[in-house]
Amino acid sequence: GAGVSQTPSNKVTEKGKYVELRCDPISGHTALYWYRQSLGQGPEFLIYFQGTGAADDSGLPNDRFFAVRPEGSVSTLKIQRTERGDSAVYLCASSPNRVEPQHFGDGTRLSIL
Amino acid sequence: AQSVTQLGSHVSVSEGALVLLRCNYSSSVPPYLFWYVQYPNQGLQLLLKYTTGATLVKGINGFEAEFKKSETSFHLTKPSAHMSDAAEYFCAVGYNQGGKLIFGQGTELSVKP
Repeated sequence: GAGVSQTPSNKVTEKGKYVELRCDPISGHTALYWYRQSLGQGPEFLIYFQGTGAADDSGLPNDRFFAVRPEGSVSTLKIQRTERGDSAVYLCASSPNRVEPQHFGDGTRLSIL
Repeated sequence: AQSVTQLGSHVSVSEGALVLLRCNYSSSVPPYLFWYVQYPNQGLQLLLKYTTGATLVKGINGFEAEFKKSETSFHLTKPSAHMSDAAEYFCAVGYNQGGKLIFGQGTELSVKP
C-alpha cells in the first residue's frame, strides 16, 4: 500500500522567503508527526497532530514555524522568513494512533541560500 | 526528561561478523523503545520495537535488541553482518502519553567485504 508521501522532495529558496512543505499520511492514520533532521544528527520532534488538532507543538523552534492539518489527513508545515539555519531534511511520519510505531516519509530536503 | 545516547557515531565490521550498536536511554516513565534504519536519501524504517512484555525483541532482517531496565540499555545486535546492512541506525524512546519520539544521534554502520 501507499506509504507516507512528502512533497516536494527538494526545495531550494532564498533567505527571507516563505515555504510550505506537504505531507500525505497513510490512509486512516490519525496521528501525524513532523521532525527536522540536520546533517549528521537524529531527527528532532517539531509537532504532533491527533486528528485535526495539534496535540503537542513543543518542538516548534519559534513563531516562524507553523503547521496545519485542517481535515485530519494532509498536513502542511509552513516556515516564514526563512533563515539559513532552517536548512535541513524535514520528515513527516504517521501512525494509526499515538501508541503504534510511526511510519516515515522520505522527507523534504530544504536548502536556504 | 527523556534522552537517548548512542555510543559510537561510526561502527565498522567485516561481512559475517557480529553487529553490536549501543543505545542507552533515560526516562522517568516506562519507555517505549525503537530502532530505526535510514538508507541514504530515504526516510526511517522501523527495525523493531519494545513496548511491554518480553525483553528480547526480534525485528526485521535478522536484527534483535534486548531491553535491560537495570542498565537502561537497548542495544541492537545481529549475529552476521551483510553488506546490505550498511546504513545509519537510530535508537529512539517514546512514551504513550505524547507519541513523539526522542532520537539518538545515530550510528553509521559500515560493512567491509
